[in-house]
Amino acid sequence: ILNVEQSPQSLHVQEGDSTNFTCSFPSSNFYALHWYRWETAKSPEALFVMTLNGDEKKKGQISATLNTKEGYSYLYIKGSQPEDSATYLCAFPNTGNQFYFGTGTSLTVIP
Amino acid sequence: DGGITQSPKYLFRKEGQNVTLSCEQNLNHDAMYWYRQDPGQGLRLIYYSQIVNDFQKGDIAEGYSVSREKKESFPLTVTSAQKNPTAFYLCASSIAGRTGELFFGEGSRLTVL
Repeated sequence: ILNVEQSPQSLHVQEGDSTNFTCSFPSSNFYALHWYRWETAKSPEALFVMTLNGDEKKKGQISATLNTKEGYSYLYIKGSQPEDSATYLCAFPNTGNQFYFGTGTSLTVIP
Repeated sequence: DGGITQSPKYLFRKEGQNVTLSCEQNLNHDAMYWYRQDPGQGLRLIYYSQIVNDFQKGDIAEGYSVSREKKESFPLTVTSAQKNPTAFYLCASSIAGRTGELFFGEGSRLTVL
């Protein structure tokens, strides 16, 4: 069993605030790191699949960075909107293609 | 539209009964997965399949069984041997490999009465 940790567990921010959260994963045998957004009553949806150390990916106001040497990835949301409220999950696939998920960060954006 | 469909959405079961959760995808994905979610915990892998007629146990496979007779279908049976089956179950599919993003169904909530 691989240890994938996310922090903080939950976050409440005001509309317009920028925020960020962390995913920590094993730095050995790295191949990829996935980020997913899970809105209430919907299915989780992929945000990013990151593979290269130092990689930065962006989708709208959401961006993610990756440090494979130290085993962490940051997800940033610039100018949070109420529709950004969701649980953000990261997943680390092992060599056997088993995806290990963190417990998620629950983000609530207050209008 | 391509997607992944789980049914039923809600299921109630008496203790001692087996139940089967359906998962169907029309994305032509080779890999399929079953996850379980409990309050305060991350998604935990029950079983996964990389190809038809082959599947592997995840970390919490005890009390569950699966089959993969068709590429599109990956049903999960929760047997009476599963000690604490009340949970939310998510099915996912992807192209095979570690960079293929997972596509998820909407989930099935099983409650044991």
